[in-house]
Amino acid sequence: ETGVTQTPRHLVMGMTNKKSLKCEQHLGHNAMYWYKQSAKKPLELMFVYNFKEQTENNSVPSRFSPECPNSSHLFLHLHTLQPEDSALYLCASSQEGRDYGYTFGSGTRLTVV
Amino acid sequence: TQLLEQSPQFLSIQEGENLTVYCNSSSVFSSLQWYRQEPGEGPVLLVTVVTGGEVKKLKRLTFQFGDARKDSSLHITAAQPGDTGLYLCAGVRDMRFGAGTRLTVKP
Repeated sequence: ETGVTQTPRHLVMGMTNKKSLKCEQHLGHNAMYWYKQSAKKPLELMFVYNFKEQTENNSVPSRFSPECPNSSHLFLHLHTLQPEDSALYLCASSQEGRDYGYTFGSGTRLTVV
Repeated sequence: TQLLEQSPQFLSIQEGENLTVYCNSSSVFSSLQWYRQEPGEGPVLLVTVVTGGEVKKLKRLTFQFGDARKDSSLHITAAQPGDTGLYLCAGVRDMRFGAGTRLTVKP
């Protein structure tokens, strides 16, 4: 149990589908993040939320839509994705302002067909 | 954005050998972290280094932060198969990660 839970663990979706990834943290952290990890690239920061407010959008295409209803939950809504969007999507949380590091979930392995 | 370069990209060694992996940048970091990621899982924090010249030990792992706080190294003594994984460094403040070193320790 890492304290950050991501569901589903695996997802296969067609390019015309709409799906959502869910992340939940039980650590009392006030910052949450979405990262994308592809086979041949470093971890890419996608979105940052501090106290439920989006503070960073790292030039992510609009087909990815984040939602943070409260400090414990983070969603990534997906629609009309492309095959190159296939990757491991990782959620992380941290206590903003302290160097305690990020606690990651196990990720959602997304395959777009 | 502060770029982090990690080397080597891949490393395959025999059990019992020692190894060092590196994390370098042209920028100064207030603090830097090392993570290990195993297949199918998210990265797990190993250590945070804050002070230039700082050395931290975690069992067989020794982490060093450069005097100028632009680089860091991770040394593993007597590597074991359980050390296999992707080792990532990250700048804490800008939340960016290096590409990692993929370590394989063969029994």
